[in-house]
Amino acid sequence: AQSVTQPDIHITVSEGASLELRCNYSYGATPYLFWYVQSPGQGLQLLLKYFSGDTLVQGIKGFEAEFKRSQSSFNLRKPSVHWSDAAEYFCAVAPWTGANNLFFGTGTRLTVIP
Amino acid sequence: EAGVAQSPRYKIIEKRQSVAFWCNPISGHATLYWYQQILGQGPKLLIQFQNNGVVDDSQLPKDRFSAERLKGVDSTLKIQPAKLEDSAVYLCASSFRTSEETQYFGPGTRLLVL
Repeated sequence: AQSVTQPDIHITVSEGASLELRCNYSYGATPYLFWYVQSPGQGLQLLLKYFSGDTLVQGIKGFEAEFKRSQSSFNLRKPSVHWSDAAEYFCAVAPWTGANNLFFGTGTRLTVIP
Repeated sequence: EAGVAQSPRYKIIEKRQSVAFWCNPISGHATLYWYQQILGQGPKLLIQFQNNGVVDDSQLPKDRFSAERLKGVDSTLKIQPAKLEDSAVYLCASSFRTSEETQYFGPGTRLLVL
């Protein structure tokens, strides 16, 4: 069965510091991969997605993610975090066969301190 | 363009009562999804519609949950009777079509069952 693991429940970083959020998936084939962000009281907003091609994906708000097939990982990075980045971040996968039911991880809550 | 609309935003009911949530997807989006997000967890797909037909409802507790998408546009999710464990945020999402399409999420309806 598909599964998505986000090992870090909560991460705290200082404003201006770099950020890496981890995501590992378990699936028989390379799935479609997504990162969503959820601010309090808001719906989920897509940051970036990977379907195929270049394994380094650029997204909105200065985020990027790298797909590593050998590690079944799709980690999210940002070189310099802003206070407005504080939110919950979800990694999600969808089977490559085209049925785009999203399977979400449990999320990582990001706190940004001044 | 207008995003996915959901109402109500908040609902408090007592167990064994019934409740209904409404979703209006982005105009032109053929696919509509309902997710349940329990506190501390990632969203879980309940049901997926393609136009007015059900694509996947394998995770929908059909003894108490029902959903419809008449005319292939807006949708209603109903719970009858509600249980304490139904307390969650119910997210609606839509996409242009299945397969390689980004899902756009609404703000959600937060349900508390007492």
